[in-house]
Amino acid sequence: DSGVTQTPKHLITATGQRVTLRCSPRSGDLSVYWYQQSLDQGLQFLIQYYNGEERAKGNILERFSAQQFPDLHSELNLSSLELGDSALYFCASSPMGTVNTEAFFGQGTRLTVV
Amino acid sequence: AQSVTQLGSHVSVSEGALVLLRCNYSSSVPPYLFWYVQYPNQGLQLLLKYTSAATLVKGINGFEAEFKKSETSFHLTKPSAHMSDAAEYFCAVTRASGGSYIPTFGRGTSLIVHP
Repeated sequence: DSGVTQTPKHLITATGQRVTLRCSPRSGDLSVYWYQQSLDQGLQFLIQYYNGEERAKGNILERFSAQQFPDLHSELNLSSLELGDSALYFCASSPMGTVNTEAFFGQGTRLTVV
Repeated sequence: AQSVTQLGSHVSVSEGALVLLRCNYSSSVPPYLFWYVQYPNQGLQLLLKYTSAATLVKGINGFEAEFKKSETSFHLTKPSAHMSDAAEYFCAVTRASGGSYIPTFGRGTSLIVHP
């Protein structure tokens, strides 16, 4: 158990809809990362938050947004969903987001868009 | 920019055989390198990490990796494969981005272990 909790584990929704994925980081970790994992793209970094503030952006679509709340949990919002958004979405956390610290991953949310 | 390349999307070995998963890094400065493992239907977990203290790094489950600057490599090995080692393995490097450091992953190598 990594200590990172993601809900829900599975999500099936229709095209055009909006969903929210939730992540609770390990106790004390200030940095939260979101990744998308698909067969063709591998593990793609989407966005990072550190202590409530956006710190870095990766390949995140404009239809996607995220935030980190004062209690440090984070949410990833996906809107106007398309079939191609079907993927595993992972949240990871680390204490400080420094160069030599590893990330601790949740078990992921499998999103299926139909 | 720091990045890693994993050679071979699939590696197949027999139980008891040597496991070798290849990773090469691209970095203009000494990198911090990691190997993660992902078992089916689970998230990634850390196997081991290189932080310049020693070139040979030992990790969990009998895995180890050797940092070779001359070859810009950080290959993962295990002397004797077990059926339970079947999983996806990711090499990673932390990449600087806007004052922060982002774990950046290779495409992954699927390890298949035959009885």
